[in-house]
Amino acid sequence: DTGVSQDPRHKITKRGQNVTFRCDPISEHNRLYWYRQTLGQGPEFLTYFQNEAQLEKSRLLSDRFSAERPKGSFSTLEIQRTEQGDSAMYLCASSPARDLGHEQYFGPGTRLTVT
Amino acid sequence: AQSVAQPEDQVNVAEGNPLTVKCTYSVSGNPYLFWYVQYPNRGLQFLLKYITGDNLVKGSYGFEAEFNKSQTSFHLKKPSALVSDSALYFCAVREKTGNNRKLIWGLGTSLAVNP
Repeated sequence: DTGVSQDPRHKITKRGQNVTFRCDPISEHNRLYWYRQTLGQGPEFLTYFQNEAQLEKSRLLSDRFSAERPKGSFSTLEIQRTEQGDSAMYLCASSPARDLGHEQYFGPGTRLTVT
Repeated sequence: AQSVAQPEDQVNVAEGNPLTVKCTYSVSGNPYLFWYVQYPNRGLQFLLKYITGDNLVKGSYGFEAEFNKSQTSFHLKKPSALVSDSALYFCAVREKTGNNRKLIWGLGTSLAVNP
């Protein structure tokens, strides 16, 4: 068990550019979540996958944001035409298939800075 | 709507003293409740959870929390604080029923343990 990994750890981009982040969940976990965290705030839910199906999407996820999990394993989060307000830590988490109130396991996050 | 409140932005305690970090929640049904800790530049680490059964749950690093249904609270406690416990602590909740799997988070409480 190598834990949840995220790549890159840090990304600096200019406003208007597109960025893509990757998350690799714990291998036997079929649920995958994306959250966004800004300084001084708790994480905010963005979207959730069960296997390859995107089951829920927050209103925070504007049309510029898209997430995929094509084979039910790793996931990508793309932000198009980045804005300064997109600067945040993007967190990925995973949890097992059986829902017994299981905790979510978090990766280290990708810190995005939009200049 | 689900919500979590952590009424204290910061808690200061002396090393060796007991500590309490407060959390209250609001859900329409029965809750799953979680505590996570976040160290600087690190991901969120799971501490403990309440699913059902005994209202007092024990978790990692000597932490425990008590579920109080009548007061809708889930306060985090530790009998004797360590300087290394200094970190940001988050309480989170989700409903037991339905397809909603996302966690709703508090804003976090910064714990400072003074030597």
